Amino acid sequence: DAKTTQPPSMDCAEGRAANLPCNHSTISGNEYVYWYRQIHSQGPQYIIHGLKNNETNEMASLIITEDRKSSTLILPHATLRDTAVYYCIVNSGAGSYQLTFGKGTKLSVIP
Amino acid sequence: NAGVTQTPKFRILKIGQSMTLQCAQDMNHNYMYWYRQDPGMGLKLIYYSVGAGITDKGEVPNGYNVSRSTTEDFPLRLELAAPSQTSVYFCASSYPNSYEQYFGPGTRLTVT
Repeated sequence: DAKTTQPPSMDCAEGRAANLPCNHSTISGNEYVYWYRQIHSQGPQYIIHGLKNNETNEMASLIITEDRKSSTLILPHATLRDTAVYYCIVNSGAGSYQLTFGKGTKLSVIP
Repeated sequence: NAGVTQTPKFRILKIGQSMTLQCAQDMNHNYMYWYRQDPGMGLKLIYYSVGAGITDKGEVPNGYNVSRSTTEDFPLRLELAAPSQTSVYFCASSYPNSYEQYFGPGTRLTVT
């Protein structure tokens, strides 16, 4: 599975959009981009995934560049409850059992 | 639905002791997983199972054993606990060919 690079930490003002970047320059054609988050002391929570098209669900939007070498997770209106570590994971898709979690980005939403 | 449940929440073991971490899910998921998370690090896969009677090793299986006799339960056994096994252990489950894994609340284990 491709390696990902994320900034170790970011701040975002409450109510503003949080844009979390992820670099995955070695991604291969059949690998998906997943995002999970982990609120302090809890188990990780799935957010969204995508292959090459932009995706949106009730939690977030995922923007993947055309060359697929990077992506951005967007939380449109960050709240204090969005303070968490966000993990960008590249994996060859459903049925591929191992999600490799790096250190992620610690997002702090500031009142 | 309770989702994925784990017991105990906390445990302190002495070096050389053994214990079983329990994991159960009520979502009828075929796939189940055990991860460990060391302080400040991401999760690493210990073992996984794609159905009752089928288990396989993940990235860091040494020092652990698993069994899967039912769809609902996936216990993790630590034999001869070592300080290096001090960690938070998460169990997860998913449907076959699903992108979404559901995680339990974790078990915090300290070996001294």
